[in-house]
Amino acid sequence: EAQVTQNPRYLITVTGKKLTVTCSQNMNHEYMSWYRQDPGLGLRQIYYSMNVEVTDKGDVPEGYKVSRKEKRNFPLILESPSPNQTSLYFCASRRRWGSNQPQHFGDGTRLSIL
Amino acid sequence: TQLLEQSPQFLSIQEGENLTVYCNSSSVFSSLQWYRQEPGEGPVLLVTVVTGGEVKKLKRLTFQFGDARKDSSLHITAAQPGDTGLYLCAGAPQGNNDMRFGAGTRLTVKP
Repeated sequence: EAQVTQNPRYLITVTGKKLTVTCSQNMNHEYMSWYRQDPGLGLRQIYYSMNVEVTDKGDVPEGYKVSRKEKRNFPLILESPSPNQTSLYFCASRRRWGSNQPQHFGDGTRLSIL
Repeated sequence: TQLLEQSPQFLSIQEGENLTVYCNSSSVFSSLQWYRQEPGEGPVLLVTVVTGGEVKKLKRLTFQFGDARKDSSLHITAAQPGDTGLYLCAGAPQGNNDMRFGAGTRLTVKP
């Protein structure tokens, strides 16, 4: 089954404690991205990757890092989380960079930073 | 200000009613996509509209892309409780491949 898998689904942690949210897709997609979803603001892109070793900032990259060492994996790293990063996070992938390509989303990771 | 403005933000109706939700922008888009998101899940693509004036039907859902490719609408006929969810429009402005999302319309259909 084609899917995007995120882990963990839920995490409560404290300010400053580094964390990583993993994302894996099994569709051999070139393009992957991370979004955060906040009430009234919709989905805002954090980082995206057009292919292995190619990453770039989205609209709200501050406080986040990513890496793309393999095609299937695109982890999101919060080196020093802060309360304003409390949000619902989604990883997505699509076949390649292009506006008509449908995006496939994971089921989300709800992060609470205390 | 959002690049894509969706209205209404919230909509609560009775089963069997018809409804229309809107996605508007001042920018031209090469295409627009509509997604539905249910609680605890990620958005799922419903349709992509590409040509100005295009109308696409998906069972009781009708999607229209404006002639100028700056806006789109989603019309649901005889809404069912199973239509409940957050409806998101998304698109990349012409000349830019970065997808942007609207804030969504949260639809509740009561039995």
